[in-house]
Amino acid sequence: GAGVSQSPSNKVTEKGKDVELRCDPISGHTALYWYRQRLGQGLEFLIYFQGNSAPDKSGLPSDRFSAERTGESVSTLTIQRTQQEDSAVYLCASSPRTVGYEQYFGPGTRLTVT
Amino acid sequence: EDKVVQSPLSLVVHEGDTVTLNCSYEVTNFRSLLWYKQEKKAPTFLFMLTSSGIEKKSGRLSSILDKKELFSILNITATQTGDSAIYLCAPLGSAAGNKLTFGGGTRVLVKP
Repeated sequence: GAGVSQSPSNKVTEKGKDVELRCDPISGHTALYWYRQRLGQGLEFLIYFQGNSAPDKSGLPSDRFSAERTGESVSTLTIQRTQQEDSAVYLCASSPRTVGYEQYFGPGTRLTVT
Repeated sequence: EDKVVQSPLSLVVHEGDTVTLNCSYEVTNFRSLLWYKQEKKAPTFLFMLTSSGIEKKSGRLSSILDKKELFSILNITATQTGDSAIYLCAPLGSAAGNKLTFGGGTRVLVKP
């Protein structure tokens, strides 16, 4: 079946511009996660959505980062006024439930801020 | 704060060798530990371990969890070049909500 999809796969933007990254989770998965992975580093949690509950935003690095999800469907991660340190691969994952269930990752969006 | 330490950071082996990867963790209200393989961008799920001492196997890969000593091991036997990847360990604890805390990973390179 279809896995998690993300778009765009690559994005190059100028410093100071806003970018929007999209994630389509696996159908029926109630939980959705965003992670960031800088070059040569581990995965860094950003934000987590579960159904219609308030999202866990504890991993967002600054107020320039925000994310939305409508119900159990598509999510968008928005980075405003991008900085060079925002350059990373942004990974989205979904899982069928929240507690202790494996997360399925999308292919990621590679963001380069010049 | 949850902590995850993986070792070694990297290793190089030849095809046919066996590798053992270590993951030690400190997680509040531990629930389970997940292993992932990351080749390019997206990590792919390998195992989820919840109980101590029960080995999980998938082909040449196996993993076991020790909840008393707070570590897990991932073994790969008869390695192949396709096993070259970064292997990530991620414990899940209830105190951190439901977000995974990933270790820095072990980079494995299997040479022909």
